[in-house]
Amino acid sequence: AQSVTQPDIHITVSEGASLELRCNYSYGATPYLFWYVQSPGQGLQLLLKYFSGDTLVQGIKGFEAEFKRSQSSFNLRKPSVHWSDAAEYFCAVGAIGNEKLTFGTGTRLTIIP
Amino acid sequence: DGGITQSPKYLFRKEGQNVTLSCEQNLNHDAMYWYRQDPGQGLRLIYYSQIVNDFQKGDIAEGYSVSREKKESFPLTVTSAQKNPTAFYLCASRNRGGTETQYFGPGTRLLVL
Repeated sequence: AQSVTQPDIHITVSEGASLELRCNYSYGATPYLFWYVQSPGQGLQLLLKYFSGDTLVQGIKGFEAEFKRSQSSFNLRKPSVHWSDAAEYFCAVGAIGNEKLTFGTGTRLTIIP
Repeated sequence: DGGITQSPKYLFRKEGQNVTLSCEQNLNHDAMYWYRQDPGQGLRLIYYSQIVNDFQKGDIAEGYSVSREKKESFPLTVTSAQKNPTAFYLCASRNRGGTETQYFGPGTRLLVL
């Protein structure tokens, strides 16, 4: 069975500092990997996704993520965070032909001035 | 303007009452999903539908029912059998045969009076 672990429940970062959110997955086949962001009381917005090819993927809002098969990880990064990045971030795993995604429990990001 | 709409934004349920949450998409997507979100638990799949007139139970289907009479609509009924319905409900859709990416609506918050 596939699973996703986001080990950090809550992270606080100063505005302008760099950010890395961790995601580890377990899946027998080649995974599809996603990062979504959710502002309070809103739906989920897709930040980026990995299917194949280049292991470093670029997304919206200046985010990027790197797929590392040997570590079963897909960490999200941003070189300099803005106050508007405060939100909850979800990692998800799926696979070709699999109708369902499995989501992690999320990481809440707080930005301090 | 393509997207997924959910209504209402807030819904109140009395004890013993069934309530129905609406989800409509104009993306021409084949598959649709319902998730329940509780604090600290991420997203849990309630039901999903890959084609019209067909749907499957997810991980927490008890106390819920769905229908898929039209491609663009996938309403969720929270029945009186669901003893703890207070949560945030998210609808998503996906284009089958594509990259397995799910796109989300803005959500409905259900509260019990």
